[in-house]
Amino acid sequence: SQTIHQWPATLVQPVGSPLSLECTVEGTSNPNLYWYRQAAGRGLQLLFYSVGIGQISSEVPQNLSASRPQDRQFILSSKKLLLSDSGFYLCAWSVLGTGELFFGEGSRLTVL
Amino acid sequence: GENVEQHPSTLSVQEGDSAVIKCTYSDSASNYFPWYKQELGKRPQLIIDIRSNVGEKKDQRIAVTLNKTAKHFSLHITETQPEDSAVYFCAGGRDDKIIFGKGTRLHILP
Repeated sequence: SQTIHQWPATLVQPVGSPLSLECTVEGTSNPNLYWYRQAAGRGLQLLFYSVGIGQISSEVPQNLSASRPQDRQFILSSKKLLLSDSGFYLCAWSVLGTGELFFGEGSRLTVL
Repeated sequence: GENVEQHPSTLSVQEGDSAVIKCTYSDSASNYFPWYKQELGKRPQLIIDIRSNVGEKKDQRIAVTLNKTAKHFSLHITETQPEDSAVYFCAGGRDDKIIFGKGTRLHILP
């Protein structure tokens, strides 16, 4: 069966520090991969999605970036965090063409 | 791009009554409309979805309707139970790009 792992689960970082959140999927090949951010009152905001290795689509201009170095690995990064980057980050995967998203357990980021 | 609006942001219903959550979308090319439930502290999970070639879909106590002309879709929960208390998200999209609404916090009152 397919599983998705996301880490770290909780992160407290100072403003201006770098960020790296990692997500891996097991049990499937060539998944679509997504990063969403959940902030209070803003629902699930799509940040990045990828339909293949090295193919990244950015949805919201910001100081975050994403990379997909391997088929089942998706990384969210920042060189310098802002206070507004605080939130709950969710990685998700789907099978191409089906639409249904399977979410990871999330990473709660607090920027101080 | 797609924009999904969801109403209401908060909904309280008496246990046993029905709950309705409504969403609108902007991109007429969107063809997939899922609904997710997120319980406190947990990840969102799909509860029902509908594609643009279908007008209505039902699964036990939950149903979704889609009006392509008006570009709106709704979630209906009948005979609500305490375990239905959660945040519900509608979403819409195509080509595997799914945009979510802001969510509805549903409270089931005893």
